[in-house]
Amino acid sequence: AQKVTQAQTEISVVEKEDVTLDCVYETRDTTYYLFWYKQPPSGELVFLIRRNSFDEQNEISGRYSWNFQKSTSSFNFTITASQVVDSAVYFCALSEAGRNYGQNFVFGPGTRLSVLP
Amino acid sequence: DVKVTQSSRYLVKRTGEKVFLECVQDMDHENMFWYRQDPGLGLRLIYFSYDVKMKEKGDIPEGYSVSREKKERFSLILESASTNQTSMYLCASSLPAVPEAFFGQGTRLTVV
Repeated sequence: AQKVTQAQTEISVVEKEDVTLDCVYETRDTTYYLFWYKQPPSGELVFLIRRNSFDEQNEISGRYSWNFQKSTSSFNFTITASQVVDSAVYFCALSEAGRNYGQNFVFGPGTRLSVLP
Repeated sequence: DVKVTQSSRYLVKRTGEKVFLECVQDMDHENMFWYRQDPGLGLRLIYFSYDVKMKEKGDIPEGYSVSREKKERFSLILESASTNQTSMYLCASSLPAVPEAFFGQGTRLTVV
């Protein structure tokens, strides 16, 4: 069965600090997708990134970067030069390939990030 | 843009009431989901629907039922609300062949 672990429950940083959110996953499938979602105080989950299991290339998007390592089953998320607007709960998620991806969508418990001015 | 709309942002209901949470999506997605979000537990799947009138139980279906009479609408029903169902409820939709879900803004339900 699949599982997603986010060991950091809460993180507080001061603005402009870099911060890394950890995500470790378990799956027996060789084909799967990993995601990061952001949930700001408004409540809606906002999609940030999707990565498939065959693509271990790291990705950078502005101040955000993601490090995918199959050898350690990790998909970590780094925010560089954090800003107060980055304060949110961040969820890592896993979806295994199958006849319907929706059947196998699993979320981690989330990490609450507070960026202090 | 995909839009998933939940009928209420905040709801307060009394114990024993029948509660309906409504969700509508406008992108013709086959899949729709209801999740419950609690601190430290992340999102837990209550029910999943992959087509009209089709549904599958998720991880925590007890105390809930669902209805999908039209493709765009997925309702979550609490037959007799209890205080332990106080939570944030999130609806989502997706396409079967695309591993990405789109979420509504959530309904924060308080049962008193």
